[in-house]
Amino acid sequence: DAGVIQSPRHEVTEMGQEVTLRCKPISGHNSLFWYRQTMMRGLELLIYFNNNVPIDDSGMPEDRFSAKMPNASFSTLKIQPSEPRDSAVYFCASSLQTGQNTEAFFGQGTRLTVV
Amino acid sequence: GENVEQHPSTLSVQEGDSAVIKCTYSDSASNYFPWYKQELGKRPQLIIDIRSNVGEKKDQRIAVTLNKTAKHFSLHITETQPEDSAVYFCAAKWGGGNKLTFGTGTQLKVEL
Repeated sequence: DAGVIQSPRHEVTEMGQEVTLRCKPISGHNSLFWYRQTMMRGLELLIYFNNNVPIDDSGMPEDRFSAKMPNASFSTLKIQPSEPRDSAVYFCASSLQTGQNTEAFFGQGTRLTVV
Repeated sequence: GENVEQHPSTLSVQEGDSAVIKCTYSDSASNYFPWYKQELGKRPQLIIDIRSNVGEKKDQRIAVTLNKTAKHFSLHITETQPEDSAVYFCAAKWGGGNKLTFGTGTQLKVEL
């Protein structure tokens, strides 16, 4: 398996534009997480899904952020409109939740710069 | 919700010395505590984890200890090497869900 795949790796956009980040979890995993990493706030959980259903989106900062998981192999995180303070590295992670706690595998991340 | 505090934020040691990073958590129902290592420009990767029914776990030069009563857990790296230089994150997972909350990270620098 190629692991968790995120695209794009880098994104530079102008303030006000819509940004869509994409994630393909590891095949067979049933939990998917979106994290945001900044120097000031570290790794923040934005939202996570179990079996394609959003379970906890309390970390989503504002209504400008939305996430979907239309099927078990794909998820998107959208920011509309984007702002300079959204600049960060966004990580997607997946894990297999079987009743025991298991490892979350991270993707390579998307470095977002909003100018 | 769960809150995880991590100390220190930066740690510098001489090669061969030991390094200790400490974390505390707030939710007594947390039952899974992984540690991740993140090298510069790369993704976080699991290096060791411990479950709440275990007090200590060791893997070569890395060990983790858990004190459930005090709600804190620690990462111990012995005989540090330059390649151990990275940011280390502790995390805690609440047993009732799958939410993994991370500490703020420790920048470890191993000097020659």
